[in-house]
Amino acid sequence: SQQGEEDPQALSIQEGENATMNCSYKTSINNLQWYRQNSGRGLVHLILIRSNEREKHSGRLRVTLDTSKKSSSLLITASRAADTASYFCATDGGATNKLIFGTGTLLAVQP
Amino acid sequence: EAGVAQSPRYKIIEKRQSVAFWCNPISGHATLYWYQQILGQGPKLLIQFQNNGVVDDSQLPKDRFSAERLKGVDSTLKIQPAKLEDSAVYLCASSLGRGANRFNSPLHFGNGTRLTVT
Repeated sequence: SQQGEEDPQALSIQEGENATMNCSYKTSINNLQWYRQNSGRGLVHLILIRSNEREKHSGRLRVTLDTSKKSSSLLITASRAADTASYFCATDGGATNKLIFGTGTLLAVQP
Repeated sequence: EAGVAQSPRYKIIEKRQSVAFWCNPISGHATLYWYQQILGQGPKLLIQFQNNGVVDDSQLPKDRFSAERLKGVDSTLKIQPAKLEDSAVYLCASSLGRGANRFNSPLHFGNGTRLTVT
């Protein structure tokens, strides 16, 4: 079963715009991670946020976590065509002892 | 550092045949994962190892899938016999994390093996 669900399922924006993706999950967590997957490739880790953190930045990425709402968001600022990819959140599912991935958001950045 | 290596990159087989995938994790990574990713979906965990011991295989269809990690390094995942619904990308990942805190470290993924069962 998949713990997280990303929304929207697909997002199309112009280069230079910001992209926001959301992740909702069901059970308590220790950490939440975001990954990117380019077509035909493996996943690449972007950022990890712990359950006691509310916001984290890495370059053009900003991640927020709201444990009361069981949700996280990933913001990519000043998007580039190279940001075109699928983005997944992953949670450690608290007691489940697994890292479980969500359904993903497909981001298309038009040049 | 060298990344996670997987082979083959692509495999096409007929249903009821058998197939094996190989993974070489990043050197020193104790934890190794196999995920199945069906087109348009997120990766689904099949099995995770810490060194050469199985931590979790609760979602591995054990009637047809098997996996091993000899000597706590390389790993192989086998399907015998394959079904049409096994068509997917099989991703191997490794991580420095271990024990109860293993998810404090990111997973490093290989590029996967795309399996087509006809």
